[in-house]
Amino acid sequence: AQSVTQLGSHVSVSEGALVLLRCNYSSSVPPYLFWYVQYPNQGLQLLLKYTSAATLVKGINGFEAEFKKSETSFHLTKPSAHMSDAAEYFCAVSFGGTSYGKLTFGQGTILTVHP
Amino acid sequence: DAGVTQSPTHLIKTRGQQVTLRCSPKSGHDTVSWYQQALGQGPQFIFQYYEEEERQRGNFPDRFSGHQFPNYSSELNVNALLLGDSALYLCASYLQASRGQWEQYFGPGTRLTVT
Repeated sequence: AQSVTQLGSHVSVSEGALVLLRCNYSSSVPPYLFWYVQYPNQGLQLLLKYTSAATLVKGINGFEAEFKKSETSFHLTKPSAHMSDAAEYFCAVSFGGTSYGKLTFGQGTILTVHP
Repeated sequence: DAGVTQSPTHLIKTRGQQVTLRCSPKSGHDTVSWYQQALGQGPQFIFQYYEEEERQRGNFPDRFSGHQFPNYSSELNVNALLLGDSALYLCASYLQASRGQWEQYFGPGTRLTVT
């Protein structure tokens, strides 16, 4: 079955520390992969997406993610956390062969940044 | 450009009632998807509309129906509301920017509470 798993429902880091949010998927076909951020009482903002070009994808606000086919992973990283990064992050996958079709989301990871 | 707009922002309904939520896509976007996000969960795909037709549907009962108008705006209708329908309903709009590349934006959502 096609699925998306985010490891860790809560991640806490200090300001200036590395941010690592994990996402694994299961699929028999190459998927399209996305990371979104959601601030309280707001909609989703696209951080970055993988659409079968470069495996290392750079996004907004200093985030990047690497597609590793052998590990079926698409982990999100940021070298230095900022207080404004505190939010909920969702990994999403399009299994249908297009980047505009149905998205399957993970359960989300709440990122807390301590001063 | 106002981006994707949704109305109303908040709504309270009673079990058994019917509700209509509205979405205006970003200017020029011709494809609209709807998602349901229950508290503490990732969004779940309801359906997608293109050229006024339902193109793809998720695992939701027939109580959930939709419509797309010639100006690409869309409505989500839910009949016979259940307590479990309480959620944030998100609309996403899409435009094919170039071959294989799609532009996508999410709206801020409508918070539906069923009592």
